Amino acid sequence: GAVVSQHPSRVICKSGTSVKIECRSLDFQATTMFWYRQFPKQSLMLMATSNEGSKATYEQGVEKDKFLINHASLTLSTLTVTSAHPEDSSFYICSASPRGSQAYGYTFGSGTRLTVV
Amino acid sequence: QKEVEQNSGPLSVPEGAIASLNCTYSDRGSQSFFWYRQYSGKSPELIMFIYSNGDKEDGRFTAQLNKASQYVSLLIRDSQPSDSATYLCAVTAAGTALIFGKGTTLSVSS
Repeated sequence: GAVVSQHPSRVICKSGTSVKIECRSLDFQATTMFWYRQFPKQSLMLMATSNEGSKATYEQGVEKDKFLINHASLTLSTLTVTSAHPEDSSFYICSASPRGSQAYGYTFGSGTRLTVV
Repeated sequence: QKEVEQNSGPLSVPEGAIASLNCTYSDRGSQSFFWYRQYSGKSPELIMFIYSNGDKEDGRFTAQLNKASQYVSLLIRDSQPSDSATYLCAVTAAGTALIFGKGTTLSVSS
């Protein structure tokens, strides 16, 4: 149980274009999802907390107008990287926890490797 | 600034040995503590979580928590080459996102 599906797993896009990444909880409802970014040989850095039916909460230094988050349902959150640049190339990972079970850990999606050329 | 500190390693152990991974955290309000394993190019997978002071064992893995010292550790007994990965320590307070350490790279040689 507690599966989080993330798509696409890998995307290459041209500089200046936008990319949408989907994160779905398959067998549970997630009122909150988290988006992380990981650069090579570095740890996961929290970008934003996605809340169902309300605006996302962004971490300091993360541009909310560049990284658009939508959490329209209890099973789907999307991250759109707008006007992507090569420095946005990274590994993006979403995570969620079953409702009422935050203390038991978070399930991660398989991640999206974004390469901006 | 809430911080989670880990020795980046690499930690090298021979097959069959015990690997000891350590983690300290700065936020005394932290309530839940997790160890994740991450293989290169993959997303993290949960190994263990612990909430209470003391030891928690699950198969070859033992997590140890000392809240007074703000210290968490993970012991891996009978280490196998397949255990070679980066181990991430993460902590959270109630209702907050996980804060990760930078991870310790473990290499188990056969």
